[in-house]
Amino acid sequence: KQEVTQIPAALSVPEGENLVLNCSFTDSAIYNLQWFRQDPGKGLTSLLLIQSSQREQTSGRLNASLDKSSGRSTLYIAASQPGDSATYLCAATYSSASKIIFGSGTRLSIRP
Amino acid sequence: EPEVTQTPSHQVTQMGQEVILRCVPISNHLYFYWYRQILGQKVEFLVSFYNNEISEKSEIFDDQFSVERPDGSNFTLKIRSTKLEDSAMYFCASSEGQGAHRKLFFGSGTQLSVL
Repeated sequence: KQEVTQIPAALSVPEGENLVLNCSFTDSAIYNLQWFRQDPGKGLTSLLLIQSSQREQTSGRLNASLDKSSGRSTLYIAASQPGDSATYLCAATYSSASKIIFGSGTRLSIRP
Repeated sequence: EPEVTQTPSHQVTQMGQEVILRCVPISNHLYFYWYRQILGQKVEFLVSFYNNEISEKSEIFDDQFSVERPDGSNFTLKIRSTKLEDSAMYFCASSEGQGAHRKLFFGSGTQLSVL
């Protein structure tokens, strides 16, 4: 069964720290992996998409890596800010199937 | 920046009633999706739609659910006879294409409460 897992479920760090969010997936035959941000009562905003042929993607202070052999992806956030507080979801697409399988998310809180 | 819009933002209905959730995908996108998130649970895939037909659906998407693209801009999800367990946030999404580079754009959701 294809599953996506995120640990920890919640994380609180002081402002300015660098941090890493973890995501694992059960089937290495993924098509791509995306990281989303979800704010309370809002939709999902795509942050980064890593194709299966890629190992990482960067956008500003965010860097996402993909290791298919170990079934892991990480989202690195540099110099965290209170505005980064949100739930971060990773999601995997398998083969060319339409559906995306989401993890349960990590709720991130940045303390001023 | 173009965005996916959903209406209404909140919908309260009585059990057994029909509801229609509406979405306007990004104009040049060709693939459309519905997802839902029950409070405290994962975001779950419901259905994908391309070229005026369903391309894939999950086991959640049973006969009480249907989707339609009634015109060139709207994409709707109909729940024929709502149940208490249908209470969730429903997200519409769209993408320009398919494949490994496909990026999904989500709307802000419709919170459905079935009483």
